[in-house]
Amino acid sequence: NAGVMQNPRHLVRRRGQEARLRCSPMKGHSHVYWYRQLPEEGLKFMVYLQKENIIDESGMPKERFSAEFPKEGPSILRIQQVVRGDSAAYFCASSPLAGRDNEQFFGPGTRLTVL
Amino acid sequence: LAKTTQPISMDSYEGQEVNITCSHNNIATNDYITWYQQFPSQGPRFIIQGYKTKVTNEVASLFIPADRKSSTLSLPRVSLSDTAVYYCLVGDHDFGNEKLTFGTGTRLTIIP
Repeated sequence: NAGVMQNPRHLVRRRGQEARLRCSPMKGHSHVYWYRQLPEEGLKFMVYLQKENIIDESGMPKERFSAEFPKEGPSILRIQQVVRGDSAAYFCASSPLAGRDNEQFFGPGTRLTVL
Repeated sequence: LAKTTQPISMDSYEGQEVNITCSHNNIATNDYITWYQQFPSQGPRFIIQGYKTKVTNEVASLFIPADRKSSTLSLPRVSLSDTAVYYCLVGDHDFGNEKLTFGTGTRLTIIP
């Protein structure tokens, strides 16, 4: 059973461009979480999605950021008109069910660099 | 949310037992204590979770005193591969509150 997959692993964008980060959860997992990590800091929660629904987006910036998890295909985190401050590692995690007893399994991350 | 405080960094020699303590004075009744491990350029990995007293698995032990205001992650006989950042998380993480809140963690370096 393959783990959580994220692509690309590294992404370079110029200011003003769009960044699309993809996350394929583990097989059988219908819950996806996105986190952002700045250098030398811990991960910060962004958004929690279940198939076709956003459950909690309390950590998502109100502008330029959006996330989806369609019925078919990977979850997408989209950042429009990127700025230098968006440079970070973005991690996706998945779990089979909701609630405390369901461990979140993390992917290897996408490292976004904005020039 | 309960705030956690951990040492920024620790060094230890191979083969020793390492104990990392986390303070969480404002822990709530429904909160659990969870530890994650993160290697460089990788996502975090769950290590252990507990509510009170002691929990042990094949990787580590977690000691939680009766007042639950702190917890200690114990790694027996560490090796070089245990060099990583260790995060202490506190929260109920139950339905509707699944998001994990990470602090800055403890950077553990194992010395040969």
